Amino acid sequence: QVQMVESGGGLVKPGGSLRLSCAASGFTFSDYYMIWIRQAPGKGLEWVSHISSSGTTKYYADSVKGRFTISRDNAKKSLYLQMNGLRVEDTAVYYCARKPGYWGQGTLVTVSS
Amino acid sequence: NFMLTQPHSVSESPGKTVTISCTGSSGSIASNYVQWYQQRPGSAPTTVIYEDNQRPSGVPDRFSGSIDSSSNSASLSISGLKTEDEADYYCQSYDNSNLWVFGGGTKLTVL
Repeated sequence: QVQMVESGGGLVKPGGSLRLSCAASGFTFSDYYMIWIRQAPGKGLEWVSHISSSGTTKYYADSVKGRFTISRDNAKKSLYLQMNGLRVEDTAVYYCARKPGYWGQGTLVTVSS
Repeated sequence: NFMLTQPHSVSESPGKTVTISCTGSSGSIASNYVQWYQQRPGSAPTTVIYEDNQRPSGVPDRFSGSIDSSSNSASLSISGLKTEDEADYYCQSYDNSNLWVFGGGTKLTVL
């Protein structure tokens, strides 16, 4: 069955960096575009970034543009999110997801001094 | 920018039917598929409806989705409400670039 498992979250100081990973299984990873979504504490869902199936096309929410970089390794069936220049407002649970509505369980990123 | 608008909260009694709306800001909501996610406190979202009206395996047929082009809205209906249905519900569709767009979420209270 389709499964996605995120990892790499944790506590980081403002201005710091983290790299999130998402390991996919149960489907042909290279056939699908993938996305990152986040949810700040007590808030709604926010689309963060999108990468095409080949990895050549990438999109970012304005709130993370220039700080976050999405990438993928189709051979390893893995999706990544490199987060630099982290801010307190980036504190959230980060989910990887695939159309039509498959989600991982999320990884918590806390940005605090 | 394309946006989806949901009511902030709805409430209904056990055994009744509730409908949650999701209205598109522009264009035709029927042009792209709509998904609905259920999120219980402390848990990740789970899909209850995908591609407008399809139920994933394991989701009871008390959950149904529909599209109303005349009002540019999608709806999630839950019949025979149970206390376990109490959760936040989010609709999701796509903009012109095929990027995911979420509604703000609706808190369902079953009282």
